[in-house]
Amino acid sequence: EAQVTQNPRYLITVTGKKLTVTCSQNMNHEYMSWYRQDPGLGLRQIYYSMNVEVTDKGDVPEGYKVSRKEKRNFPLILESPSPNQTSLYFCASSSTGATNEKLFFGSGTQLSVL
Amino acid sequence: EDQVTQSPEALRLQEGESSSLNCSYTVSGLRGLFWYRQDPGKGPEFLFTLYSAGEEKEKERLKATLTKKESFLHITAPKPEDSATYLCAVQPSGGFKTIFGAGTRLFVKA
Repeated sequence: EAQVTQNPRYLITVTGKKLTVTCSQNMNHEYMSWYRQDPGLGLRQIYYSMNVEVTDKGDVPEGYKVSRKEKRNFPLILESPSPNQTSLYFCASSSTGATNEKLFFGSGTQLSVL
Repeated sequence: EDQVTQSPEALRLQEGESSSLNCSYTVSGLRGLFWYRQDPGKGPEFLFTLYSAGEEKEKERLKATLTKKESFLHITAPKPEDSATYLCAVQPSGGFKTIFGAGTRLFVKA
């Protein structure tokens, strides 16, 4: 089954403790992206990647890191999480990122930073 | 600044009561406008892509239309299973970002 898999589904952590949220897709997609979703603000793009070793900042990249060493994986790293990073996070992928390419989303990771 | 605004924030309908959701956008140039559906606890699911003013797309009870400044998602004779949050997104020309609106939460009562 074609899918985008995120782990973990829920995560509670404390301020300053490094964490990684994993994202993997099995569709051989070139384009992958991370979003955070907050009430009243909608989905905001954190980082995106057009292909292996190619990443770029979205609208809210501060406090986040990403890497794209393999085509299928695009982990999101929070090196020193803070409470304002408490949010619902989604990973998404599409074939090329071009105009006619719909995004496939994972099921989300609910992160709470205490 | 590129921006997407959806209205209303929430919409309550009776089963069979048709209505429309609005998405207005401000972008320097439009590569594509997308509609997604999001159920509670799940990621958004693609519905439509529209590319140019005057274009229309249909799927079951949903019909999406596009003008130069806004898009509408028309829901004809909705059913309770149409209850969800509907997200509008635009992809400006000259880049590969996708900008989402805050969504419209639709509740359809039987």
